[in-house]
Amino acid sequence: SQTIHQWPATLVQPVGSPLSLECTVEGTSNPNLYWYRQAAGRGLQLLFYSVGIGQISSEVPQNLSASRPQDRQFILSSKKLLLSDSGFYLCAWSVDSVEQYFGPGTRLTVT
Amino acid sequence: QKEVEQDPGPLSVPEGAIVSLNCTYSNSAFQYFMWYRQYSRKGPELLMYTYSSGNKEDGRFTAQVDKSSKYISLFIRDSQPSDSATYLCAMSGGSYIPTFGRGTSLIVHP
Repeated sequence: SQTIHQWPATLVQPVGSPLSLECTVEGTSNPNLYWYRQAAGRGLQLLFYSVGIGQISSEVPQNLSASRPQDRQFILSSKKLLLSDSGFYLCAWSVDSVEQYFGPGTRLTVT
Repeated sequence: QKEVEQDPGPLSVPEGAIVSLNCTYSNSAFQYFMWYRQYSRKGPELLMYTYSSGNKEDGRFTAQVDKSSKYISLFIRDSQPSDSATYLCAMSGGSYIPTFGRGTSLIVHP
């Protein structure tokens, strides 16, 4: 069966510090991978999605970036965090379908 | 106007009630309509999805799509306290990239 992992679960970072969130998927090959951010009281905002290694599409201009160094690994990064980057970050996967499966999320607080 | 509108609630009902959750949308290109359930501090879980108009039933859950009115619904029969969660609607076209609503918070009290 397929499993998706995200870490860390919780993160508190000062403004201006770097960020690296990791997502890995097990049990499937060549998945589409997604990064979302969910701010309090707001819906899911798609940040990046990837259909293959090295293929990244950005949906929202921001100080975040994403990379996919391996088929089932998706990384979200920032060189300098802003207060507005606080939120709940979710990774998801799908395989040629509308059905997306989400990870447990990372709660990021920028102080 | 946002592409997908969803009342954030909270919606509070007694155990055993029939719950109706709704979303409206403006993009006529949407073909796939999904419902996710999200417990507090967890990732969303796909409940069900439908393609185009019509109804789909899965246990106590029924999804309904009315494309002519650009209106979708999720009905929960015999609601339980364990159904207390935030319910997110989502929609997509042929690209499979979804647009999510804000979510409706549901509270089922014993």
